[in-house]
Amino acid sequence: DGGITQSPKYLFRKEGQNVTLSCEQNLNHDAMYWYRQDPGQGLRLIYYSQIVNDFQKGDIAEGYSVSREKKESFPLTVTSAQKNPTAFYLCAVNDGDNNYGYTFGSGTRLTVV
Amino acid sequence: AQSVAQPEDQVNVAEGNPLTVKCTYSVSGNPYLFWYVQYPNRGLQFLLKYITGDNLVKGSYGFEAEFNKSQTSFHLKKPSALVSDSALYFCAVGRRSDKLIFGTGTRLQVFP
Repeated sequence: DGGITQSPKYLFRKEGQNVTLSCEQNLNHDAMYWYRQDPGQGLRLIYYSQIVNDFQKGDIAEGYSVSREKKESFPLTVTSAQKNPTAFYLCAVNDGDNNYGYTFGSGTRLTVV
Repeated sequence: AQSVAQPEDQVNVAEGNPLTVKCTYSVSGNPYLFWYVQYPNRGLQFLLKYITGDNLVKGSYGFEAEFNKSQTSFHLKKPSALVSDSALYFCAVGRRSDKLIFGTGTRLQVFP
């Protein structure tokens, strides 16, 4: 997972709280992505950003928000509007040309308590 | 529209036997194809890719994959499976500057 750091590794959220997951990269890549993975399931795209100060909704954006103020950082906020947030969240980066595919972070496991 | 299919949720194989994890895709133009592996509570790790060149691609940990344009397939193979190969495997497809589309994943279980 070198070059891309997700924190924290584990996160607990109370009902009604917003929480923010961090994703930082030092690979100087333009494109960054957030995925959600439920147990034993595949990846679902939440949001992605191909350039600073711009981002697009993925397939399951409702209840989530992002920002891209710096090239290195793409934080994901899970809002209280997300009714079932318990999942494994993965951040990925890409050089924009798919020459090397995606590099993934090690993930954040979010649990609602 | 691009799509990718992994038709098997799980593949079981005995240690020492060859393994195949299947992937088929649909994309207009030249496909960029990838295989990733995921161990429990970890991110996805790159195994191998096909962009151009030889149809047989060799990757990490002794894995290889064969690009078959006529069958639009990119199956992952290994001649001799190890128990430590047990993990979740994802196939992904895209074009040069498009975001990748990931398959639903195939769980590989290698029995001793």
